[in-house]
Amino acid sequence: ETGVTQSPTHLIKTRGQQVTLRCSSQSGHNTVSWYQQALGQGPQFIFQYYREEENGRGNFPPRFSGLQFPNYSSELNVNALELDDSALYLCARIIATNEKLFFGSGTQLSVL
Amino acid sequence: AQSVTQPDIHITVSEGASLELRCNYSYGATPYLFWYVQSPGQGLQLLLKYFSGDTLVQGIKGFEAEFKRSQSSFNLRKPSVHWSDAAEYFCAAMGGNEKLTFGTGTRLTIIP
Repeated sequence: ETGVTQSPTHLIKTRGQQVTLRCSSQSGHNTVSWYQQALGQGPQFIFQYYREEENGRGNFPPRFSGLQFPNYSSELNVNALELDDSALYLCARIIATNEKLFFGSGTQLSVL
Repeated sequence: AQSVTQPDIHITVSEGASLELRCNYSYGATPYLFWYVQSPGQGLQLLLKYFSGDTLVQGIKGFEAEFKRSQSSFNLRKPSVHWSDAAEYFCAAMGGNEKLTFGTGTRLTIIP
């Protein structure tokens, strides 16, 4: 049990559409991070949030955006979907000082 | 730039044989180091982590890893593999910003 729940588990969209992925975690002063894992690749860092503010971003365009809410849930939004956005999207709850890093099971996004 | 390298894309071992998966990192300072395992269609499960102290780290499922600063390596080992160990293995590193950088993964196949 990681304490990180992602929804939905699978999603199919068409090119140009918008998608929202959700992540909920147990309470605490956590950093919530999002990663994209393309088929056959390692996860790539998208961005992270701490206390509802974005405080780090990887090499992803602005059409990838996020939110963190006071209840520690988080959203990843992707606009103008492209075929290459097809991937497993992972949410992680990280408390490095306490050596705790938990990943959700991910949302598999397919863009057709 | 920070990077993690897993030189072996695919490894095949016989059930009961020993296993070593290689990982090298390139960071300005010694990062935190991790090994994750991922079964098909699943999220990431943390096997073990190194933050500081004893350079030989014990993890779950009988895995261990050794941190060698002189070689910038953090290799994963298991004395005797089981068929259930077949999966994708990812080495990852974290600097001060709590961002994880992953290697490209090593796919482990177990033969009877």
